[in-house]
Amino acid sequence: NAGVTQTPKFQVLKTGQSMTLQCAQDMNHEYMSWYRQDPGMGLRLIHYSVGAGITDQGEVPNGYNVSRSTTEDFPLRLLSAAPSQTSVYFCASSPTGVGEQYFGPGTRLTVT
Amino acid sequence: AQSVTQPDIHITVSEGASLELRCNYSYGATPYLFWYVQSPGQGLQLLLKYFSGDTLVQGIKGFEAEFKRSQSSFNLRKPSVHWSDAAEYFCAVGDFGNEKLTFGTGTRLTIIP
Repeated sequence: NAGVTQTPKFQVLKTGQSMTLQCAQDMNHEYMSWYRQDPGMGLRLIHYSVGAGITDQGEVPNGYNVSRSTTEDFPLRLLSAAPSQTSVYFCASSPTGVGEQYFGPGTRLTVT
Repeated sequence: AQSVTQPDIHITVSEGASLELRCNYSYGATPYLFWYVQSPGQGLQLLLKYFSGDTLVQGIKGFEAEFKRSQSSFNLRKPSVHWSDAAEYFCAVGDFGNEKLTFGTGTRLTIIP
């Protein structure tokens, strides 16, 4: 049972580049979410999904896109990377939105 | 909208001493409350949760938390800390209506011998 997996673990981008952070879960959870973690700011919700085909914005959605074509996968796309998007990104899944969240190991992204 | 305040950014405790980490929340109805722990370089792991019922909640690793509605608090406690408890601790409040969790800014715990 792999739980929540994220790839890559580390990534360096140049300003303006695009990329996709991958997230997959094998627990058949309906709810998935993306957070970013910045020093002194805790975790902030970027986007979330309550099931395949349904996504919604969180607290800090600008500059990010998501889609949910399957229950298992919830990729996060950076459209045009900016230095302000340097952060650690966590994907999480849960049976419900406010139930126990199962977190992936994170992706550390640096934008230069 | 719900919010969470963790007033202590960093706490240092001697090994074997007791610990209390503070968490205050703002939410209109009965909240769903959580404590998560993050070891260095790792994701977050659930320590304990409160949905309803007994206001003293037991969690993993010997942690407990007490929900006090009158004080809007959900403080985390441990009677005797171990060096392995050094980590960052996050309090979170859940809104069942919009299915979102809001996290506090975290408290970093350092354990000294």
